[in-house]
Parts: sequence; C-alpha cells; structure tokens
Amino acid sequence: DSGVTQTPKHLITATGQRVTLRCSPRSGDLSVYWYQQSLDQGLQFLIQYYNGEERAKGNILERFSAQQFPDLHSELNLSSLELGDSALYFCASSVEGQGSNTEAFFGQGTRLTVV
Amino acid sequence: LAKTTQPISMDSYEGQEVNITCSHNNIATNDYITWYQQFPSQGPRFIIQGYKTKVTNEVASLFIPADRKSSTLSLPRVSLSDTAVYYCLVGDGRRNRDDKIIFGKGTRLHILP
Repeated sequence: DSGVTQTPKHLITATGQRVTLRCSPRSGDLSVYWYQQSLDQGLQFLIQYYNGEERAKGNILERFSAQQFPDLHSELNLSSLELGDSALYFCASSVEGQGSNTEAFFGQGTRLTVV
Repeated sequence: LAKTTQPISMDSYEGQEVNITCSHNNIATNDYITWYQQFPSQGPRFIIQGYKTKVTNEVASLFIPADRKSSTLSLPRVSLSDTAVYYCLVGDGRRNRDDKIIFGKGTRLHILP
C-alpha cells in the first residue's frame, strides 16, 4: 500500500459526459502528479500541483483540468469525454516537488472506460 | 530533462541475475538516477535511486560508472513475479524548476520458468 488513495477504482461513462477523479496523497506529501496510461502505452504526464498551486503541465488536453485543495487532495476533471480518453489514470504524490529526483508514490489508479 | 534510452524488452529465466542498462548521455550535475517498476494495471513503484558508484537495497542494485552517462539496474535471482516494466528516470533536481516526473517507454522484462 503506497498510501495514495484514488477513487473511484473503476468508472464507466458515455461519450460527451464529464467525470471527476479524486486523489488523496500520502500524509505529509505536498506534491501531486496526474498521469494517463492508455492500453499498452506509456505513462503520459498530465499535470502537477505543489501545495495547492499548479507547478508543471504536460500534454494535458484543454478538456481536462485539475486542482489541489487546501487539504492537499486533488481532483482531475475530464469533460466532453471521447472514446480515446479510456485509460488508466494514476495519481502520485511526493514530499516535495523535485521532479525525477523525488521518490513518488503512486495510487492504484482509476480505470476509465468511455462507451 | 535528460533523455534516457533503455532496451524495449528483455527475457530471462527464473533464478538468473538480470541487468538492465539505461543510457543518459546528457545527465546534469544535479541529476539523480531513479528506477521504477510497474506491474500490469498497477501504478509504478519506486525501486532504487542513486547518484554515483553503487547503491544496493533489499530489491536491487544500481551501478553508475564515473561518467554517469549510463546506469545498470541489477535484479538478483529473478522470479516470475519480477515480470514487469522497468523505467529509468533522470531528473532535474533543482527546486522550483521543472518538476515533471517523465517516464519513457521503459523495458518490458519477461521472466520465463
């Protein structure tokens, strides 16, 4: 158990809909990262927050947005969903935001299926 | 971020030692080398991190030559459960700089009985 909690574990929704994925970081971790992993694809970095502020952005679509709340949990909002958005979405957290020099702890992911 | 190159896939047998090499020719002075392991449908898990020479923990060893342009992850006596994708990462450790943790395609390790 990494200490990072993601909910829900599975989500099935229709095209055009909007969903919210939630991530609770490890206790004490200030930094949260979101990743998308499609079938047999690599981990695509989406966005990172540090202590409530956006720190780094990857290839995140304009239909996607995220935020980190004062209690440090984070939500990833996906709207106008398309079939191609079906993927595993991972959240990771770390104590500080030092990029790849930091040990990041990953949640078990949310499997999103768009039908 | 320093680009990394590692083999796409490797096969080995149970009980063997497996070495996965990663090239990172443009590694910067501040960069550490970090390896993660990912099982199917699970999030990656940190294995080991090092800066130079050799680091060993209960799971693996990491060998880094003096020029730091490559590194080798060594898994002793692998078992079927070591079948996974292994990612080599080299990052920019400067605070308040680019904090992305970028994963490449990794090495798909397949352990055979």
